[in-house]
Order: sequence, then structure tokens, then C-alpha cells
Amino acid sequence: GDSVTQMEGPVTLSEEAFLTINCTYTATGYPSLFWYVQYPGEGLQLLLKATKADDKGSNKGFEATYRKETTSFHLEKGSVQVSDSAVYFCALRNDYKLSFGAGTTVTVRA
Amino acid sequence: DSGVTQTPKHLITATGQRVTLRCSPRSGDLSVYWYQQSLDQGLQFLIQYYNGEERAKGNILERFSAQQFPDLHSELNLSSLELGDSALYFCASSTGTQGRSYNSPLHFGNGTRLTVT
Repeated sequence: GDSVTQMEGPVTLSEEAFLTINCTYTATGYPSLFWYVQYPGEGLQLLLKATKADDKGSNKGFEATYRKETTSFHLEKGSVQVSDSAVYFCALRNDYKLSFGAGTTVTVRA
Repeated sequence: DSGVTQTPKHLITATGQRVTLRCSPRSGDLSVYWYQQSLDQGLQFLIQYYNGEERAKGNILERFSAQQFPDLHSELNLSSLELGDSALYFCASSTGTQGRSYNSPLHFGNGTRLTVT
């Protein structure tokens, strides 16, 4: 079945540092890929998406490129802020089902 | 604000009891999904409804059931509750035709935190 594997956290960074969260997937067909973010006490919010190979999703300074050859969708941000502290989930959608990775907790210190 | 509304926000109940969680999807969304988030198991897909009909089942226990009503709101019923059922329960909605909407993301509510004591 479909699955998503993302790097384990927690990740702790200083403000303005570079953030990368690795995500790889296993799926049949041509899934869409997403990154969701969950701030404390809140639900999941869509951060960005990519629907086909080589698509780059971007939002709020975050980027991720759909790499079919490496089955990856790594999340990057060049300069993080304290407000980026959250749990980040990589997700894959194949037909009806959205499958999530385990989540990576990111803490950004001032 | 995702437009998905879940009530109640918090629920505390005892083992063996039954509770109902409610979800109102975003305006215009026909699909509703239920997820369980726990510390040890992460985000688990429970069940999906599309326009009132069950479309897919995930890791949903037999003690749990759900339905989607004609006005598209959905309820998740949890019965014979156990301590291990304590978790955050999320509802999400999406547009979608017959479940085949590869590009459309899910929009999540803020969840109901269930504590079973």
C-alpha cells in the first residue's frame, strides 16, 4: 500500500537557519503530494502541494519539489522564524485516501 | 480558518461510555474524512463519506461508526470507550467527484480532543 516516510524529529534550529525535512514515499500510480503544518492546539493546515513530477510547491517561503525518480518531496525553507515552530506532515493522496508521514516537530529558537 | 467546524472541542468521559463527535464541512465540499491522531500511532485515517455515502474505510474499529447527513454534516460515534481511545479526532473535507480528486487537498477542522478516564 501507499506510505510516506519522513525524517524523525525533533528538529531544533536558530532563527534564520536553513530548514530541510526529508520525505520519501511509496505509491502506485501518480499520487499528489502535500505538506501540512500543525501549530500547537490547532488542526492541520495545507502548506503546499505538487500534483505531478517536477512540480514545485511553494508557500510562505517554504518549497518542495516532486521528484519521481527519487520518490521524494523534501521540504525546505531558507531562513526560519520562531513562528515556524510547528509539526510538519508530509502526505500523499492517491484516489480517496490521504496518507500521512509521522510528522516532524520543528522548534525555532530566537 | 479552514471552514471546517468540529464540536465539541474537548470531551472527557469514562470508560464504557459512548460519545458523538460532530463535523460541518466547508461550504460546497461533498467529501468528509475522519482521522484519529494519537501520540503513538500518528494520524490514522478512519473513514470517508461522499455526499452521504460511505466511500472508504481505514483503520476504524467496529466500536466506531460514522454517518453523513443530507445537509452534509457528519457525526462520528464512539462506543464502549477504552482508555486507548483517548486522542485527537479530526474531521476534514474536500471537493471531489466520486472520490477521484487527486489534486484537491483536504481541509481540516481544529479537532475534538477526547479524554477517556
